[in-house]
Amino acid sequence: GESVGLHLPTLSVQEGDNSIINCAYSNSASDYFIWYKQESGKGPQFIIDIRSNMDKRQGQRVTVLLNKTVKHLSLQIAATQPGDSAVYFCAENSGGSNYKLTFGKGTLLTVNP
Amino acid sequence: EAGVAQSPRYKIIEKRQSVAFWCNPISGHATLYWYQQILGQGPKLLIQFQNNGVVDDSQLPKDRFSAERLKGVDSTLKIQPAKLEDSAVYLCASSLPMLRETFFGPGTRLTVL
Repeated sequence: GESVGLHLPTLSVQEGDNSIINCAYSNSASDYFIWYKQESGKGPQFIIDIRSNMDKRQGQRVTVLLNKTVKHLSLQIAATQPGDSAVYFCAENSGGSNYKLTFGKGTLLTVNP
Repeated sequence: EAGVAQSPRYKIIEKRQSVAFWCNPISGHATLYWYQQILGQGPKLLIQFQNNGVVDDSQLPKDRFSAERLKGVDSTLKIQPAKLEDSAVYLCASSLPMLRETFFGPGTRLTVL
């Protein structure tokens, strides 16, 4: 698998701004994608998911966009709040019906008050 | 609803020692996962159980790592002997079969000196 160093991609935004976090996935056969939020000292927390037969899905303050042509996923957070500060991971289901998740590189989001 | 429980939360050992981690999934969740998360990286699947049977252990270093899920509920992950590169957070997660949302525990942070 790929190796990343200790330095995560970072995104710093002002409170109230919109945030966009991007992710490139690896398996063109993946049929399901999830965004997770991970705060320091905690396990990943589900944010939103999307199936491969969709290109957009909206939740509360969050939107996920899927571009299968270029194997790209993005998470948009509206009106970002300090509590949104965390590491965000995208994950793809690469195991078919066994739901085996492969996680991408994380992005550290810092929201400045 | 109680979440996924893990213990201990922290463990420090010397290389070549043995260590074991315990996980109690959410009640009724037949699928249980163990992930390894090295600092700065996304979680990597080590093993997946469906009830007490192994579904996928292709990324488990079987020469030193072992896991079991007796009676299809609690699970233990063991490392014997530990190496420096095993320093990581070990995450347990569970889900209902065929349901996609996976719930993660808080993890056990292992430091191998």
